[in-house]
Amino acid sequence: GAVVSQHPSRVICKSGTSVKIECRSLDFQATTMFWYRQFPKQSLMLMATSNEGSKATYEQGVEKDKFLINHASLTLSTLTVTSAHPEDSSFYICSAPPQRESSGYTFGSGTRLTVV
Amino acid sequence: KNQVEQSPQSLIILEGKNCTLQCNYTVSPFSNLRWYKQDTGRGPVSLTIMTFSENTKSNGRYTATLDADTKQSSLHITASQLSDSASYICVVSANSGYALNFGKGTSLLVTP
Repeated sequence: GAVVSQHPSRVICKSGTSVKIECRSLDFQATTMFWYRQFPKQSLMLMATSNEGSKATYEQGVEKDKFLINHASLTLSTLTVTSAHPEDSSFYICSAPPQRESSGYTFGSGTRLTVV
Repeated sequence: KNQVEQSPQSLIILEGKNCTLQCNYTVSPFSNLRWYKQDTGRGPVSLTIMTFSENTKSNGRYTATLDADTKQSSLHITASQLSDSASYICVVSANSGYALNFGKGTSLLVTP
């Protein structure tokens, strides 16, 4: 089945620095990738949708200058958290849409970001 | 407003027992409903997907039901195992593109 590889799985960074999270579709091409943030015991919240070859679409309230999204190729989408603050600490997950009508969305394994 | 409500919020059961998780939604127009299992610190993994015309679908020890009239779904887990301990998330799609509506999940703990 479709696999999305997400790296790193955990990262700790200092306030003010930037962190890049990568999601790669391993055995299929993903022209679209979704980026979510999840706080403890909460639902996944859609942050933005990346599109290969065009600008990402951000959800209301998500700062596009802070959360930079790049969909450089059909198999790679990246999320860069710039000038990280402790309140950016969260679980970030990417997802590719179903490859078939009967299949589910394929999620990456997630990245636990801790900003100290 | 499209909403997905799950119950219970958390559940503890003994290994080997059965359990049923509930999902009520107000998403319209309805496209499909998916149940995902999310282990702690991991991304969600798809268990089942159900469309409007499907009433029940099984995946091993997991059986999902859907009542599109009452907008309710359930996930039944039989003969629970310790590895079933996870958060189970109900996700409902509307007909409009890729928009997903996530429930907050039910946290299941299976104890020996």
